[in-house]
Amino acid sequence: RKEVEQDPGPFNVPEGATVAFNCTYSNSASQSFFWYRQDCRKEPKLLMSVYSSGNEDGRFTAQLNRASQYISLLIRDSKLSDSATYLCVVNGDSNYQLIWGAGTKLIIKP
Amino acid sequence: DTGVSQNPRHKITKRGQNVTFRCDPISEHNRLYWYRQTLGQGPEFLTYFQNEAQLEKSRLLSDRFSAERPKGSFSTLEIQRTEQGDSAMYLCASSFTTSAAYEQYFGPGTRLTVT
Repeated sequence: RKEVEQDPGPFNVPEGATVAFNCTYSNSASQSFFWYRQDCRKEPKLLMSVYSSGNEDGRFTAQLNRASQYISLLIRDSKLSDSATYLCVVNGDSNYQLIWGAGTKLIIKP
Repeated sequence: DTGVSQNPRHKITKRGQNVTFRCDPISEHNRLYWYRQTLGQGPEFLTYFQNEAQLEKSRLLSDRFSAERPKGSFSTLEIQRTEQGDSAMYLCASSFTTSAAYEQYFGPGTRLTVT
């Protein structure tokens, strides 16, 4: 079993729709969780950290479920510019070592 | 530009040659990380520095790979006797040492092709 698992997609979604991704992680001791966004052939960029209480940043909402060991990302009112791969990231055995999912590809269609 | 920079952006080399990549982190960041990423996968951790000290190296990392950060600023990653399986994007990231230190900021990467 991979340490961080994501549905690779692609998710093909019409502009303006709401889309949600889930990610599961295997290390119950993990304390730090993130969503990164990666455009094609570009570097990953931090989208948002995921806090225990859940957090929202504009159209983006992240949730953490420790009991089930999954993280979710919700994108509302999706834009064409949201098309990218979304990477779920969890800390490993040490706090600075991040374990990355393979990413979920999102394609927003006009 | 005050972000993370990496050089070269692209490198094509023949199998068996040595290559060296450079990373310049964000100037205030004392933590520096190297990752490798192949198509369709997330970044794979290679090694980590805090200032000039290399604190961790992936157990999966071949001894052909070595990294340095001699003055706690820029870092170099060297791959000796390159193999075709080394073809990948090599990413460098940096972060602060604060409670939010796990938020890492990436450079544009060096794409290595071994022929």
